[in-house]
Amino acid sequence: DAGVIQSPRHEVTEMGQEVTLRCKPISGHDYLFWYRQTMMRGLELLIYFNNNVPIDDSGMPEDRFSAKMPNASFSTLKIQPSEPRDSAVYFCASRGDNYGYTFGSGTRLTVV
Amino acid sequence: KQEVTQIPAALSVPEGENLVLNCSFTDSAIYNLQWFRQDPGKGLTSLLLIQSSQREQTSGRLNASLDKSSGRSTLYIAASQPGDSATYLCAAFQGAQKLVFGQGTRLTINP
Repeated sequence: DAGVIQSPRHEVTEMGQEVTLRCKPISGHDYLFWYRQTMMRGLELLIYFNNNVPIDDSGMPEDRFSAKMPNASFSTLKIQPSEPRDSAVYFCASRGDNYGYTFGSGTRLTVV
Repeated sequence: KQEVTQIPAALSVPEGENLVLNCSFTDSAIYNLQWFRQDPGKGLTSLLLIQSSQREQTSGRLNASLDKSSGRSTLYIAASQPGDSATYLCAAFQGAQKLVFGQGTRLTINP
């Protein structure tokens, strides 16, 4: 089991550009979560999916953020247009039947 | 709404000591609670998951307890080692799916 795989590990982009973060959950896990971590606010849940369907996106900060899960093995988080305040580490996590979460290694996003 | 608090924010102890990290949560109708470890610049590693019907879980030198009535969980680390230095995060479930995180305790074990 390769765990939850995120790409890229690091992303540096200019303000106004579109950014796409990618996640491959653990096979068989039917829940997928996107979190954001900053020094000021800690870890915040942005959105989660169950069986590829978005269930709760109340944590998505603005319309500039969108997430999709076209199939059970892939999800994307897109920011368009990006702003410096979006700089953070973005984590993807998946959950199986035992209710425990498994996190990916994260994508460190820097918007300059 | 579930809120999670971890005290202290930072802790420094000499190697070999036993120590306790504290976590409190506001909604006692908790589903499960999970402890994680985060090394600098890295992702989160799950340490222990305590389901709502359980009172504690053990893994090696780690023991986590859950007291729903008082809204508290503790993580006990026995015979601490420098390799235990990391940030420890407590996360309580809000409902059956959402994990709400505390701000973490940054632990330093001095050789």
